[in-house]
Amino acid sequence: GAGVSQSPSNKVTEKGKDVELRCDPISGHTALYWYRQSLGQGLEFLIYFQGNSAPDKSGLPSDRFSAERTGGSVSTLTIQRTQQEDSAVYLCASSPGLYTTNEKLFFGSGTQLSVL
Amino acid sequence: AQKVTQAQTEISVVEKEDVTLDCVYETRDTTYYLFWYKQPPSGELVFLIRRNSFDEQNEISGRYSWNFQKSTSSFNFTITASQVVDSAVYFCALSEARQGAQKLVFGQGTRLTINP
Repeated sequence: GAGVSQSPSNKVTEKGKDVELRCDPISGHTALYWYRQSLGQGLEFLIYFQGNSAPDKSGLPSDRFSAERTGGSVSTLTIQRTQQEDSAVYLCASSPGLYTTNEKLFFGSGTQLSVL
Repeated sequence: AQKVTQAQTEISVVEKEDVTLDCVYETRDTTYYLFWYKQPPSGELVFLIRRNSFDEQNEISGRYSWNFQKSTSSFNFTITASQVVDSAVYFCALSEARQGAQKLVFGQGTRLTINP
């Protein structure tokens, strides 16, 4: 597809389980971002990948959260031992990666995660 | 610290009315970028505009216009002759050049409802 694709669109899990969220960025975009949108905290930056550089993980809320990007394309966000406060919409975005701070981001529709 | 405040949580107007969405930001950086994104019910955020800190010219795009005033640290968004399709949540966001990455700091969003 032409846009950023995220799967699954909805995920319901039990507290303590691990979950994996997938993001397929726009072809050719070297920059990829994960954001989280929750009622209490609004939209928060989680992690940023740019090409082959080490990712910027400064927004990850705890060591239960990790992300990887294989082959410079698809990214997976993993949450281990999920907690109820992890319930949120996880949004992925990509951008061409030509400029670091002023590019427009292209967002996916998100994964709604519900932890019971 | 960087911060974006959208004081209006919800706005409801009748179609064809003009409406202004307020955005006030805080930053210590001299080089920064301001954005507006629209989030329709489908969930994905859609880029509307980007402004850098050195360009205070107002911008008009069709029915949309933006007023950037550094003196008051504001970047307000006006929709003229609103339409039902403008109904969405609108987010103002800030990115600082010194962060070295597109770590957008978002406001809490303004939910705009245009009634027919």
